[in-house]
Amino acid sequence: EPEVTQTPSHQVTQMGQEVILRCVPISNHLYFYWYRQILGQKVEFLVSFYNNEISEKSEIFDDQFSVERPDGSNFTLKIRSTKLEDSAMYFCASIPFRVSAGELFFGEGSRLTVL
Amino acid sequence: DQQVKQNSPSLSVQEGRISILNCDYTNSMFDYFLWYKKYPAEGPTFLISISSIKDKNEDGRFTVFLNKSAKHLSLHIVPSQPGDSAVYFCAAGGYSSASKIIFGSGTRLSIRP
Repeated sequence: EPEVTQTPSHQVTQMGQEVILRCVPISNHLYFYWYRQILGQKVEFLVSFYNNEISEKSEIFDDQFSVERPDGSNFTLKIRSTKLEDSAMYFCASIPFRVSAGELFFGEGSRLTVL
Repeated sequence: DQQVKQNSPSLSVQEGRISILNCDYTNSMFDYFLWYKKYPAEGPTFLISISSIKDKNEDGRFTVFLNKSAKHLSLHIVPSQPGDSAVYFCAAGGYSSASKIIFGSGTRLSIRP
């Protein structure tokens, strides 16, 4: 069964460092997402991406964040200068078409720890 | 801005009994609602959804009820099984939105023997 894969599973970084989280969405999917979950809190929407551009982004997704799909398969989330509060589980998700009553397919997540 | 609220952070139910998880929402523009299940160290997995034109959707042991006038939905699991122990997230989205789904804060369901 096709699945969304994410790397790394866990990354520890120093505050102020750049981090890139990688995702390989399901191959025939067209919409891609990043969500995050701070420990014990809700899953929060960060950004959606379609047709090589951002469709929608949340207030969390400020200038420190960027996304790109460099090669038609990988979908990356970059945090330019990490802060302590960026420590969270980051989930990539994808869906074949525009979100309707169907579900997002999530990866297993990348845990980011900022020290 | 809590557009989707799950007011019970945890719930404990005996195996074989019914589990009822509740969710409230504030945005009347939401057109469809979903329940996701999440195990530790895994991503959320889709469980069941319901569109705003329905008031009930059933899939095996799982039934979702939607009360639009009350802006309330619930997930019923019957009979509850040990493997149902997980965190359950209510989520909502709108056809008018480009793409995003808003999640609640989750309810940790524990099924006791």
